[in-house]
Amino acid sequence: GNSVTQMEGPVTLSEEAFLTINCTYTATGYPSLFWYVQYPGEGLQLLLKATKADDKGSNKGFEATYRKETTSFHLEKGSVQVSDSAVYFCALSAGGNEKLTFGTGTRLTIIP
Amino acid sequence: GAGVSQTPSNKVTEKGKYVELRCDPISGHTALYWYRQSLGQGPEFLIYFQGTGAADDSGLPNDRFFAVRPEGSVSTLKIQRTERGDSAVYLCASSQRLVPIYNEQFFGPGTRLTVL
Repeated sequence: GNSVTQMEGPVTLSEEAFLTINCTYTATGYPSLFWYVQYPGEGLQLLLKATKADDKGSNKGFEATYRKETTSFHLEKGSVQVSDSAVYFCALSAGGNEKLTFGTGTRLTIIP
Repeated sequence: GAGVSQTPSNKVTEKGKYVELRCDPISGHTALYWYRQSLGQGPEFLIYFQGTGAADDSGLPNDRFFAVRPEGSVSTLKIQRTERGDSAVYLCASSQRLVPIYNEQFFGPGTRLTVL
């Protein structure tokens, strides 16, 4: 079946540091890949997505590239801010009805 | 416009009781999803509706769980004979389902269910 493995947290960084959160997946066919974010006290929001190999999703300074050869979709940001503190979930959908399979989430804390 | 809403926001019940959780999707969204998120885990898929019918209920853990969407809008997740292991946050999401483009799922704030 489909599965997502993401870097365990928590991750604590200083403001303006470089961020990488690793995500690898197992899926049949050609899944779409996503990063969702959950800010404190808020619901899940889509951060970015990529629907085919070599696509790069980007939003709010975050980027992730769909790497089929390594089955990965690592999340990166060049300079994090305190407001980026949240829980980040890698997810995939495959098979046509778009149900999402999520990783376990990575809690990110940015300190000033 | 309004987002996905879920009621109640918190529900505390006793083992063995019956509970209903409600989801109001974004107006016009034909697809509706239920997920369950246990503490420290990512959301897990339960059931997907396209219109009034359940297109995929493969994630329902057992026959104590049931969901309906009788008019293709509001959905209710029903749990019979609740067990302590049912304690989790139950999330609802909706999307427009404009095939073949991927349709973003918009999530509600969730219902936190606690079974004592």
